[in-house]
Amino acid sequence: GESVGLHLPTLSVQEGDNSIINCAYSNSASDYFIWYKQESGKGPQFIIDIRSNMDKRQGQRVTVLLNKTVKHLSLQIAATQPGDSAVYFCAESYDKLIFGAGTRLAVHP
Amino acid sequence: DGGITQSPKYLFRKEGQNVTLSCEQNLNHDAMYWYRQDPGQGLRLIYYSQIVNDFQKGDIAEGYSVSREKKESFPLTVTSAQKNPTAFYLCASNPAGQERADEQYFGPGTRLTVT
Repeated sequence: GESVGLHLPTLSVQEGDNSIINCAYSNSASDYFIWYKQESGKGPQFIIDIRSNMDKRQGQRVTVLLNKTVKHLSLQIAATQPGDSAVYFCAESYDKLIFGAGTRLAVHP
Repeated sequence: DGGITQSPKYLFRKEGQNVTLSCEQNLNHDAMYWYRQDPGQGLRLIYYSQIVNDFQKGDIAEGYSVSREKKESFPLTVTSAQKNPTAFYLCASNPAGQERADEQYFGPGTRLTVT
């Protein structure tokens, strides 16, 4: 909802810049990872996923990087636009989905 | 259009009252889920159902109840036993029929405020 982003870390970027949002996951056995975008007052939307047998996957304007050694996931958004402003969170999956709290991305013109 | 609908978007109740949140999907998905989202926290699973007439407790089921009488519908009742019911509630579904999901399709959410 509207308040879920209030207590989250915020990444502020200028329109047109690239954004990098990071996520530390907890279970070294997790073998599937997902990034979601959640706009204010709305439900999360799937952005991109990656399996543990990969270290990089690209979508349209987005790239996910996976570093299993340090249990770290990142989402790169190229040429960030005002419409990208939202909360972004990752999820890891082993036998169930575990969701991170997220990062709020604020894009300034 | 296919999708998941939740109603209402905002719900206000007095403490001590039970309240039921609606979730309907026309995606023909077998599995449906209820999550709770609180400020600064990740989604937490309340209940899930992999098939009609069957459901399982998630991580924070206490104070909640569900039913799955139809494939399309998975209503959540927040009972007076739930100590901190004010939250944003999200319903989701997926076609895989498992708690682990390759893709979770989320509804728009219901913001419940209990005073």
